[in-house]
Amino acid sequence: SQQGEEDPQALSIQEGENATMNCSYKTSINNLQWYRQNSGRGLVHLILIRSNEREKHSGRLRVTLDTSKKSSSLLITASRAADTASYFCATVGIQGAQKLVFGQGTRLTINP
Amino acid sequence: EPEVTQTPSHQVTQMGQEVILRCVPISNHLYFYWYRQILGQKVEFLVSFYNNEISEKSEIFDDQFSVERPDGSNFTLKIRSTKLEDSAMYFCASSEIGVWYGYTFGSGTRLTVV
Repeated sequence: SQQGEEDPQALSIQEGENATMNCSYKTSINNLQWYRQNSGRGLVHLILIRSNEREKHSGRLRVTLDTSKKSSSLLITASRAADTASYFCATVGIQGAQKLVFGQGTRLTINP
Repeated sequence: EPEVTQTPSHQVTQMGQEVILRCVPISNHLYFYWYRQILGQKVEFLVSFYNNEISEKSEIFDDQFSVERPDGSNFTLKIRSTKLEDSAMYFCASSEIGVWYGYTFGSGTRLTVV
């Protein structure tokens, strides 16, 4: 299984602090994607990092990928209350796969 | 911004009944997907669809499930004889170029089988 696993499972921080979430996976990947899910809502694509990339930025988001350790991290800087959500990593395999394999997710709570 | 639209948002059905979940993908997208999320669990892949045929399906997607793109705009998931364990959020997604780029997900249909 190439499933990604996130840690921590839950994270609670104060507004303005940085939030870091980690993801590990088991098999070689083509790319890794991060999604956000507000409670009871759909998944929103945040950022995609390809296997030949090490770091990517998008606004307050910074994603790193270490293929030797099969791990990725998502950093949200200067967190806001609106960032409260669940965050999932999802991997795409290299064997012509047409699916995302999601991790369990990290529930992030930003306290005002 | 273009959206993937799913209807209904919530459906309650009796065990053994057939249900059809509907999705309208983004118009210029070519790849379509169904995922599901049982409450408190991971999002799980069900099926991918490209060029009017299934390109990949998971073990969950057994003979009770089928997908169709009946008219060039809708994409449907049918469950022929629902079971209690089919209760979940079902998400439709579409992508212009497949999994090598991000997907756009719909808001989901909450299916409750009683």
